[in-house]
Formats: sequence, C-alpha cells, structure tokens
Amino acid sequence: AQTVTQSQPEMSVQEAETVTLSCTYDTSESNYYLFWYKQPPSRQMILVIRQEAYKQQNATENRFSVNFQKAAKSFSLKISDSQLGDTAMYFCAFMNAGGTSYGKLTFGQGTILTVHP
Amino acid sequence: KAGVTQTPRYLIKTRGQQVTLSCSPISGHRSVSWYQQTPGQGLQFLFEYFSETQRNKGNFPGRFSGRQFSNSRSEMNVSTLELGDSALYLCASSPGPGLPYEQYFGPGTRLTVT
Repeated sequence: AQTVTQSQPEMSVQEAETVTLSCTYDTSESNYYLFWYKQPPSRQMILVIRQEAYKQQNATENRFSVNFQKAAKSFSLKISDSQLGDTAMYFCAFMNAGGTSYGKLTFGQGTILTVHP
Repeated sequence: KAGVTQTPRYLIKTRGQQVTLSCSPISGHRSVSWYQQTPGQGLQFLFEYFSETQRNKGNFPGRFSGRQFSNSRSEMNVSTLELGDSALYLCASSPGPGLPYEQYFGPGTRLTVT
C-alpha cells in the first residue's frame, strides 16, 4: 500500500515571499503520478500541479513548481511570489498508473498555509 | 464547461437512517471517484466508477455503496448511519481511462449525523 506523508501541519509566509511545502511518499510501484491539490476555506478542492513519475523534468505551473526526487521519494511544492489567495490547505496526493488502482488518490494529511499581508 | 456538481450541499440525518448523495461529473468525463474527508482520518477513498462499473473500492464497510448511471452521474448511499459517518463527502471526475489522470473535485456534501 502507498503512503503519503506531509510533515508540516502548518506553515506561514509573508505576501510576495517564497514558501516550500514538503511531501514524501512510499511505494513499490515504478509508474505513478503525484499531485498537489489546494483546498481553500470554501472547501472546493483545486488541482495545483501534476507530475508523472517517468518524467525527470520538474513540473511548473506559473508561480507553482515542484522538486521531484524519485530516488528519495520526495515531492515538494514551491510557491513563489505568495499571494493572499494562496491561503489554503494543501494536499499532496499519489496515484498508481493503471493496474487495480483506478481512480484512487492517496492523500497526505495536508499542510495549512497562511499568507500574511 | 461546468464543473463537478454535488447535491445536496448540506444534509442532517439521524442515526440509523440512510442517505443518498449525488454527483454530476464534468461533461465528457466517464470516471467518478468518491472520498470521505474528516478531521481525524483526512481524505479517504471510498470507490470509483467507470462506465457504470465499480472498478475500485476503499476500505469502508458494506453500508457504503454507490452506482453510476449511463450518463456518468453517480450516487453514493450510506445505510444505517452512524455518528462517525459525519463528514464532507467529495466526488471527483476524470476523463478515464488513460491520460490524463488528474481528478476534478466537486464542492462536496457536508453530512451531519445526529
């Protein structure tokens, strides 16, 4: 079974600064996908970024980028130029590619990020 | 495109009752997954449906069941409700099968069992 660990229950950052959220995972699979989701106080879960395990290049989406270290099973999220709207719970999630893991995301416990003005 | 919709948004039920929650996926998406979110257990996978077939199931008792219709809309049912079933129930859709694998979530149904 896969496990996802987010070791930072809460973090805070000043507006316009950079913050990095940590995530580690454990799996015996070689082909999988990793995601970061954001859940603002309104509760709508939003996909932030996706990384395919077979890709060595780190994914980037505007101000959001990841540092994917496959050997270390680490998948951190960097938010640059933090904005007040980035305040949310952030979840790291894992999905096997195929097999019997259809549609199953395994989530970490989440990191509450607060951006201060 | 309209996003994933879930109805109702809020629900209050009494122990022992049953409840049905509904999820309409993004147009064209054929896979629907359900999750339970609680402060103590976090986000846990319930089950996934594709083309009216349950392809995957999480570790929940048989009181939790679901189905999917030919238009990809999905329902989940919880029978004999317990206090511990109080949670936010999230539905997510994806094009399925194959790439892309990302899931798009609905706003959730907040279920309170008293």
